[in-house]
Amino acid sequence: GEEVAQTPKHLVRGEGQKAKLYCAPIKGHSYVFWYQQVLKNEFKFLISFQNENVFDETGMPKERFSAKCLPNSPCSLEIQATKLEDSAVYFCASSPKGYALNSPLHFGNGTRLTVT
Amino acid sequence: DQQVKQNSPSLSVQEGRISILNCDYTNSMFDYFLWYKKYPAEGPTFLISISSIKDKNEDGRFTVFLNKSAKHLSLHIVPSQPGDSAVYFCAASNTGKLIFGQGTTLQVKP
Repeated sequence: GEEVAQTPKHLVRGEGQKAKLYCAPIKGHSYVFWYQQVLKNEFKFLISFQNENVFDETGMPKERFSAKCLPNSPCSLEIQATKLEDSAVYFCASSPKGYALNSPLHFGNGTRLTVT
Repeated sequence: DQQVKQNSPSLSVQEGRISILNCDYTNSMFDYFLWYKKYPAEGPTFLISISSIKDKNEDGRFTVFLNKSAKHLSLHIVPSQPGDSAVYFCAASNTGKLIFGQGTTLQVKP
């Protein structure tokens, strides 16, 4: 499609439960990025993919967060054993060429995760 | 360590006037700067970008200025319109990571 599609829009989980977020990038875009926005503050980079390969995962909390981009499937971000501090809006973005000047990121509308 | 800073959380401007949004950065290795606009409950949308080898880029009502010696960039919107009311994020990149500022909420009053 022509838009980055993120599902679900809202997700509520009890502390300790698993959360799984999905992202369908724009068709033809080979780079996918995940960002976390807490309390409307700046966006924290989590991880990026080039096709199904991890490109940069320096922002990922190693212990409970994982992500995948498999062929012919939406990309996913999974949080095991959620904590209150994981409450945030998670944005997915895609681009055709990574961080090139003429290839800006196209963002989805985000998934709002609330951990209670 | 906040590498990209937007020190003004909010800005209010009259319709038709110029809006100037500012952004400072600390990493001299950044080679690519962008501005994104964000409405509530939506993702950021790309507005305009500039390479570090340039000092100005213009696109319609939007102009981005880059002052490398001061590590400062600004977004000028002229004339401002009520539909420009949104949160504006500046962002910078070097080796593949896009770093965002905290955002400035622009309100354009009719």
